[in-house]
Amino acid sequence: DAGVTQSPTHLIKTRGQQVTLRCSPKSGHDTVSWYQQALGQGPQFIFQYYEEEERQRGNFPDRFSGHQFPNYSSELNVNALLLGDSALYLCASSQTRTGELFFGEGSRLTVL
Amino acid sequence: AQKVTQAQTEISVVEKEDVTLDCVYETRDTTYYLFWYKQPPSGELVFLIRRNSFDEQNEISGRYSWNFQKSTSSFNFTITASQVVDSAVYFCALSGTGGSYIPTFGRGTSLIVHP
Repeated sequence: DAGVTQSPTHLIKTRGQQVTLRCSPKSGHDTVSWYQQALGQGPQFIFQYYEEEERQRGNFPDRFSGHQFPNYSSELNVNALLLGDSALYLCASSQTRTGELFFGEGSRLTVL
Repeated sequence: AQKVTQAQTEISVVEKEDVTLDCVYETRDTTYYLFWYKQPPSGELVFLIRRNSFDEQNEISGRYSWNFQKSTSSFNFTITASQVVDSAVYFCALSGTGGSYIPTFGRGTSLIVHP
């Protein structure tokens, strides 16, 4: 049974560019949450998708947007990249909105 | 607002030593969940435990044990007879039990176990 998978694992972008990160949830899970983890910090909640809708959002600007597809997979988009967006982006899936979170290994984004 | 404080940034021990990771939390919720996660170098956060605020019993799972004290708002994690494979960053987290279920994480404690 595959767990949460994320792609790409590493990527480098320059300031002002846009990036799309992808996440496939664990089998049987219908909810996807995205977190940003800066170096030396704990994960910070970006948003959660359930039934293809953004259900909750953390304190992140509108440059951060997402999408959930009918197969429950999800994308995180970040526009107009800033140096401060460099971080590990973690996807977590759960069975329902209040279920235990299972995390992927993350996508490490470096903005130059 | 919810807040989780892990005052220990890094702990270094020698294999077979016992080690305790501290976690102090703040919340206005009357019911809440507390968590511990382990993050190895691969990056994936591995779930270790979830504790409901109603249940103050301590829990033991193999070499791992957790001490929940509501009176001091603490949820400490002890590893007995540490092993090199325990080396990782450990995060304590807190969430509500209703619509605000999203966990708030502490800054993590890096545990280094030397052979």
